Amino acid sequence: GDSVTQMEGPVTLSEEAFLTINCTYTATGYPSLFWYVQYPGEGLQLLLKATKADDKGSNKGFEATYRKETTSFHLEKGSVQVSDSAVYFCALSPMNTGFQKLVFGTGTRLLVSP
Amino acid sequence: DAGITQSPRHKVTETGTPVTLRCHQTENHRYMYWYRQDPGHGLRLIHYSYGVKDTDKGEVSDGYSVSRSKTEDFLLTLESATSSQTSVYFCAISEGVNEQYFGPGTRLTVT
Repeated sequence: GDSVTQMEGPVTLSEEAFLTINCTYTATGYPSLFWYVQYPGEGLQLLLKATKADDKGSNKGFEATYRKETTSFHLEKGSVQVSDSAVYFCALSPMNTGFQKLVFGTGTRLLVSP
Repeated sequence: DAGITQSPRHKVTETGTPVTLRCHQTENHRYMYWYRQDPGHGLRLIHYSYGVKDTDKGEVSDGYSVSRSKTEDFLLTLESATSSQTSVYFCAISEGVNEQYFGPGTRLTVT
């Protein structure tokens, strides 16, 4: 079945460091891909998405590119801030379901220190 | 922010008791979902609804039932709670293939 694999955390960085969180997926065809972020005590919020191969999603300085050849959707940010500390979830929605039936990775906790 | 509320926000209950969690939306979205979040598992889909009285099972539906009698309300019921159902439960809504919006979550502890 469909699945998403994320790098385990926590990822600990200093402010202004470069961030990469790896995400790979297994799915049939061309699923839609997402990154969600969860701040402490809150629900998940959509951070960015990509719906076809080679698409780049971007938001708030975060970027991820849909790589069909490597089945990956790695999250990057050039300079992290303390306020980026959160848990990040990679997810996919299989193609042709007619609605979003999300499959999530296990999440990666990011801790950014001043 | 999407208008989604969950109640209660926190609950402690004993093994074997019935529990109902409520999700309420003000967005008139067609689809509603219940997930559970556990360490090492991310979020897993329990049940979802694609309209009033239309529901289907997700990945981890055993021990849970749902009902949707109105567009705005989606109830999750644990008929006889077990310790393995201790978790954080999230409701989400969407309109077709568009973004899912998540509620604030309910932390359930079964002792």
